This record gives sequence, C-alpha cells and structure tokens, in this order.
Amino acid sequence: GENVEQHPSTLSVQEGDSAVIKCTYSDSASNYFPWYKQELGKRPQLIIDIRSNVGEKKDQRIAVTLNKTAKHFSLHITETQPEDSAVYFCAATTGSGGYNKLIFGAGTRLAVHP
Amino acid sequence: NAGVMQNPRHLVRRRGQEARLRCSPMKGHSHVYWYRQLPEEGLKFMVYLQKENIIDESGMPKERFSAEFPKEGPSILRIQQVVRGDSAAYFCASSPPSLGTQYFGPGTRLLVL
Repeated sequence: GENVEQHPSTLSVQEGDSAVIKCTYSDSASNYFPWYKQELGKRPQLIIDIRSNVGEKKDQRIAVTLNKTAKHFSLHITETQPEDSAVYFCAATTGSGGYNKLIFGAGTRLAVHP
Repeated sequence: NAGVMQNPRHLVRRRGQEARLRCSPMKGHSHVYWYRQLPEEGLKFMVYLQKENIIDESGMPKERFSAEFPKEGPSILRIQQVVRGDSAAYFCASSPPSLGTQYFGPGTRLLVL
C-alpha cells in the first residue's frame, strides 16, 4: 500500500526566514497531495493541495511543488511568522479526484521564533 | 455554512464500556472519512463511507470497531469494550460530491481509564 515519508520531523526558523518540508510517496498511482496545518488541540486545516497534473501551486506565502518522476512533493513557506508555528502534515491518495483514504506523513513540527 | 461537526468533543470511558462518536458532515457533503490520531503521532485512516454504504474500511480494526452513515442523521463510529489503547483523538472529515478535498471536524478526544 501507499507509504508517505515526511522530513524533517522538527524545524526551527527565525521569523522572516523560509521553511521547506519534504515528503516522498511510494505509490506511483497517487494523484492528489494535500497539506494540512494542525495547531495544538485543534483540527487539521487544509492549507494547500496539488493534483498530479500540476507541477507547482502557490497561494500567497505558501507554495507546493510536485515531482512525479521522483515521487516527492514539498511545502514552501516564505516570510514565516510566529503564527505559522504548528505541526504540518503532508498526505497522498490514489482515489479519483481525492475520493479515497488519505495516507499521512508523520508530521513536521515547525517553530517560528520572533 | 457550518463546518464538519463532531460530538462529543471529549469522552471518558472505563475499560469495557462502549464509545459512540458522532460526525455531521458539512452541508452538501456526501462522503465521510474517519481518522485516528494517537498522541504525538500522525493521522491514520480508519474508514470511508457514503450514505448507507461503507466504501473502504481497510484501516479499521476487525473487532470492536464499527461505523455507519445512515440515510438520515450523523455518521457514527462505535467502539465496543474499549481498552486503554483506544485512547486517541478521532477525527472525521467530509468532502463534497464534486471535489474530493477533505475538511476535518474538531475531533473527539477519547480517554479510556
């Protein structure tokens, strides 16, 4: 079955720096890759997603890139702010249009220091 | 448009009791997913349902766990004869029929004493 690996497990940056989180997946049929942000005690919140027919997607300070050949995708956060501090999860699924179980990475705990 | 609703938010049970978790999807969403999150860990898929149908239950333990999504009312995740290892946060997500993006509810935190 699908397996998603996520690195690093923890990331500490200074406010204003960039943060990059990387994920690799095993199933070449995976076609939908969302990223979720989870603050302590809260629900996972979708922050950006990308489908396999697209190589890059950007939304303000957040961008995601996808390399289907290498089977990896990355989250880029620019100009980090303290409120970006949270745990970030990548996920992958093989379902048509995303209708299928999401396989999550283990998470990256991001700390942004003022 | 209210988001995904879950209740109760916190549930305490003693070993051997039953836990019943409820999930109301967002309005217009017909697909429901349940995930479990152990402390300091990621989310693990349990089951995917549509109205009156279980589509994929490959992540759900074969014994003691069951799920349903009736024609009327919320989706229910039922855990019988709970054990301490069932202590976790249980999240429900829903997605609309036209797009598979999954939106999560606030979760139910189950504590088994």
